[in-house]
Amino acid sequence: EVKLVESGGGLVQPGRSLKLSCAASGFSFNDYWMGWVRQAPGKGLEWIGEINQDSSTINYTPSLKDKFTISRDNAQNTLYLQMSKLGSEDTAIYYCARGTNYGGYSGWGQGVMVTVSS
Amino acid sequence: DIVLTQSPALAVSLGQRATISCKTNQNVDYYGNSYMHWYQQKPGQQPKLLIYLASNLASGIPARFSGRGSGTDFTLTIDPVEADDTATYYCQQSRNLPNTFGAGTKLELK
Repeated sequence: EVKLVESGGGLVQPGRSLKLSCAASGFSFNDYWMGWVRQAPGKGLEWIGEINQDSSTINYTPSLKDKFTISRDNAQNTLYLQMSKLGSEDTAIYYCARGTNYGGYSGWGQGVMVTVSS
Repeated sequence: DIVLTQSPALAVSLGQRATISCKTNQNVDYYGNSYMHWYQQKPGQQPKLLIYLASNLASGIPARFSGRGSGTDFTLTIDPVEADDTATYYCQQSRNLPNTFGAGTKLELK
């Protein structure tokens, strides 16, 4: 069974940084692309970016490229999202997701809430 | 960026057919595949993949769900609709970077 568990969320002040983690189990983590998607309260899904199996290719949505960094540790079966210069517009539930060869996401974590507020 | 347009809401009766549309402003076909996927999200839950590459049923998804379309016009059909299908449905394209999602269609029961 695919299991993805995000952690590291919480309340953070504007302008600060935060790093999210996603622990993967139930599948061979180093065989899959992985991605991050977020959802602001009451809003739709927003694709943040993705990383390939050996971290040689990382893609971001352009508006977040200078603020967010995706990385992974295949030895630890863990995906990361480093977020910097956070603003109120970054308040959202952040999901990690298992990618596929065709670009869809076949497994999702339960999400972690990030609230940016003073 | 490719923009995906979905109707905000749809109301159907139990046992009837629900057809949810997703239109893109660019062609999402490439070498015989349509890079369009559909997700279901229930309140307080994470999204779940229903359909991939426009018409392929994801693992464990009942055959009441189906998808079709190509190019710029896609539909997700639920037939017959059950009470448990009350949710928001999102389309997503992976033809071009950045991947983008539609705004979602909220399915309600009459």
